[in-house]
Amino acid sequence: DSGVTQTPKHLITATGQRVTLRCSPRSGDLSVYWYQQSLDQGLQFLIQYYNGEERAKGNILERFSAQQFPDLHSELNLSSLELGDSALYFCASSVAPSRTSGTVTQYFGPGTRLLVL
Amino acid sequence: DQQVKQNSPSLSVQEGRISILNCDYTNSMFDYFLWYKKYPAEGPTFLISISSIKDKNEDGRFTVFLNKSAKHLSLHIVPSQPGDSAVYFCAASGNSGAGSYQLTFGKGTKLSVIP
Repeated sequence: DSGVTQTPKHLITATGQRVTLRCSPRSGDLSVYWYQQSLDQGLQFLIQYYNGEERAKGNILERFSAQQFPDLHSELNLSSLELGDSALYFCASSVAPSRTSGTVTQYFGPGTRLLVL
Repeated sequence: DQQVKQNSPSLSVQEGRISILNCDYTNSMFDYFLWYKKYPAEGPTFLISISSIKDKNEDGRFTVFLNKSAKHLSLHIVPSQPGDSAVYFCAASGNSGAGSYQLTFGKGTKLSVIP
């Protein structure tokens, strides 16, 4: 158990709909990252938040958005869903990057499996 | 443009033998490398990491080797056990600006350890 929780575990919806995925980071972690894993693809970085502020964006579609709340949990909003959005969505968390190493290990949640019909 | 490549989609190894998983990268800005293990229906689990200032890091049965000049790293598992059967992802990180250190993943190698 990584300490990162994600809800829901599974989500089935229809094209054109909007869904919200939720993530709670490990206790003490300030950074939250969202990744998408499609069939036959590795994990693709979507977006990062650090202590409530957006820190970096990756391959995130304009139809997708995210936010991190004062209690540090994060939500990923997916709208105008298309069949191709069906994927596993993972959240990861880490402490703030250290000054010396400049990078830290990310710990992943169990993921949300989204199926768009 | 794949910056992290795992060229072997799958690998089969006999129990007790060594498993060697390979990973190549192209971005010279990467300075921290990680290996994750993933079982079906679970999230990736952190295994071991290495900073670019080192060329080897060991943790129990797992050793990661880094060859910066070749932009290549490998994960050695000795001895391999059936419970090691999973998909292994190589990931790389570097400062991509504004203090962000997101991970760039390879597509994974499915390891099967045969009893």
